[in-house]
Amino acid sequence: EPEVTQTPSHQVTQMGQEVILRCVPISNHLYFYWYRQILGQKVEFLVSFYNNEISEKSEIFDDQFSVERPDGSNFTLKIRSTKLEDSAMYFCASREGQDYEQYFGPGTRLTVT
Amino acid sequence: KNQVEQSPQSLIILEGKNCTLQCNYTVSPFSNLRWYKQDTGRGPVSLTIMTFSENTKSNGRYTATLDADTKQSSLHITASQLSDSASYICVVSRSGGSYIPTFGRGTSLIVHP
Repeated sequence: EPEVTQTPSHQVTQMGQEVILRCVPISNHLYFYWYRQILGQKVEFLVSFYNNEISEKSEIFDDQFSVERPDGSNFTLKIRSTKLEDSAMYFCASREGQDYEQYFGPGTRLTVT
Repeated sequence: KNQVEQSPQSLIILEGKNCTLQCNYTVSPFSNLRWYKQDTGRGPVSLTIMTFSENTKSNGRYTATLDADTKQSSLHITASQLSDSASYICVVSRSGGSYIPTFGRGTSLIVHP
């Protein structure tokens, strides 16, 4: 069964460093999303991406964040200068169409020290 | 303000027993409500999705109900199994162009043998 994959599973970085989190959505899906979940808190929407551009973004998704679909398979989230409060699980998700089910990846645990 | 409140925060039951989880929301205008199961350290997995016109939806031992008038939903788990131990998250999406979903904090369910 097709699934969303994410790499790495765990990323440790120092404050101020840039990180890139990678996702491979399900191949025929057209809508892509990033979410984050700080430990012990609820999942929060970051950004949605469709037709090679951002559809919507939340207040969390400030200038430090960017997304890119560099080729036909990968979908990346970049954090330019990480802060301690960026430590969280980051989930990628994709879906085939607007009225279709959304599938989440296993997540990348980002730890900023 | 668009909010999703879940109760109880945590629940412990014995294997084989039934349980019901609650979700109240203020999200408006309403588009759909989803229940997800999230195992520790994993991404959420969809259990059910309901639109305004649907009152109940089943997926195996999981049955979700929706009362759009009172803005309440429940998830009933029948004959619980040890593998049901997880966080159950209620997510409500708005209609009218904005996709951004509102997540509840989840109910942590522990099933004991």
